[in-house]
Amino acid sequence: EDKVVQSPLSLVVHEGDTVTLNCSYEVTNFRSLLWYKQEKKAPTFLFMLTSSGIEKKSGRLSSILDKKELFSILNITATQTGDSAVYLCAVRPNNAGNMLTFGGGTRLMVKP
Amino acid sequence: EAGVAQSPRYKIIEKRQSVAFWCNPISGHATLYWYQQILGQGPKLLIQFQNNGVVDDSQLPKDRFSAERLKGVDSTLKIQPAKLEDSAVYLCASSTDRGGYTFGSGTRLTVV
Repeated sequence: EDKVVQSPLSLVVHEGDTVTLNCSYEVTNFRSLLWYKQEKKAPTFLFMLTSSGIEKKSGRLSSILDKKELFSILNITATQTGDSAVYLCAVRPNNAGNMLTFGGGTRLMVKP
Repeated sequence: EAGVAQSPRYKIIEKRQSVAFWCNPISGHATLYWYQQILGQGPKLLIQFQNNGVVDDSQLPKDRFSAERLKGVDSTLKIQPAKLEDSAVYLCASSTDRGGYTFGSGTRLTVV
């Protein structure tokens, strides 16, 4: 059974801080790892990672995948209160199903 | 491009009652998913449709949950009878064959 574990469970920081969120996984026949931001109900897509060592970057957010050690990190620099959300990591296997297995999420709170 | 539409947004019912949720995916998306997200956890796949056929329903509690996707477009998810532990957000998502995933805003179900 595919498994995704995220850490920490929750994090409280102040504006301007840098945070690193962790995601480790076990999946049969890995295809990709995805990061989502969930503020209210609908998760919104951040990154999709398929190759080791290649950093994906979008503004203050960046993410990298290590397929040997089976983990990914999501970095947020110069955090803002608008970054407060639950960050979800999910893995997609390389089969016809295309379903995602999610981790439990990391709840980030950024204080002014 | 219109997003994934879900209704209702909120529903409160008593245990043992029945409830139904509706989802309209993005036009042209062949694959439709229903996920259950219990408070504090990541989304968990309940059922996946490819057009109007079921691809994976291994996590669907079939004694009380049912889902259909007539004509390969809209889908409904039904719970009958509801239990307290069914309180969750029910997320619908759709994807293309290449795997571009889009989530709806979800339906928050409270069973009292």
